[in-house]
Amino acid sequence: SQTIHQWPATLVQPVGSPLSLECTVEGTSNPNLYWYRQAAGRGLQLLFYSVGIGQISSEVPQNLSASRPQDRQFILSSKKLLLSDSGFYLCAWTSGMEGEQFFGPGTRLTVL
Amino acid sequence: GQQLNQSPQSMFIQEGEDVSMNCTSSSIFNTWLWYKQDPGEGPVLLIALYKAGELTSNGRLTAQFGITRKDSFLNISASIPSDVGIYFCAGSTSGTYKYIFGTGTRLKVLA
Repeated sequence: SQTIHQWPATLVQPVGSPLSLECTVEGTSNPNLYWYRQAAGRGLQLLFYSVGIGQISSEVPQNLSASRPQDRQFILSSKKLLLSDSGFYLCAWTSGMEGEQFFGPGTRLTVL
Repeated sequence: GQQLNQSPQSMFIQEGEDVSMNCTSSSIFNTWLWYKQDPGEGPVLLIALYKAGELTSNGRLTAQFGITRKDSFLNISASIPSDVGIYFCAGSTSGTYKYIFGTGTRLKVLA
């Protein structure tokens, strides 16, 4: 069966520090991968998605970037965090266009 | 841009009651997904719908893909305390890899 992992689970970082969040999927090949951000009590905002290694589509201009160095690995990064980057970051995958989308457990990021 | 209106925003119900929530879109969707999210966790997929008019059940949950392809609803029968959480709808249009998410319905069940 397929599983999706995210780490770390929680992170507290000072403003101006770098960020690296990792997501990996097991049990499937060529997944489409997604990064979402969820503000407290709010819906999900799509940040980036990738349909293959090295292919990244950005949905919202921001202080973040994404990379996909391997088929089942998706990384969310920042060179300098802002207070507004705080939130709950969720990674998700689908097996094709318009297929079922499954989420990871999330990373709670607090920027102080 | 595309928008998904989800209602109600929140609801309190008595244990044992049935619950209904819905989503409407300004665009035609090819796929509807329904999720439940518990605090501090990722959303869990409940039901996926792929055809207009499709009615799908998962235990006490039933969801339908509207025939106009611009709406969907989710029903929960005989609610129990563990149904508490936030329910999200999501839709995808043809030719995209992206899902648009609703703003969520917060459900609270009174025992």
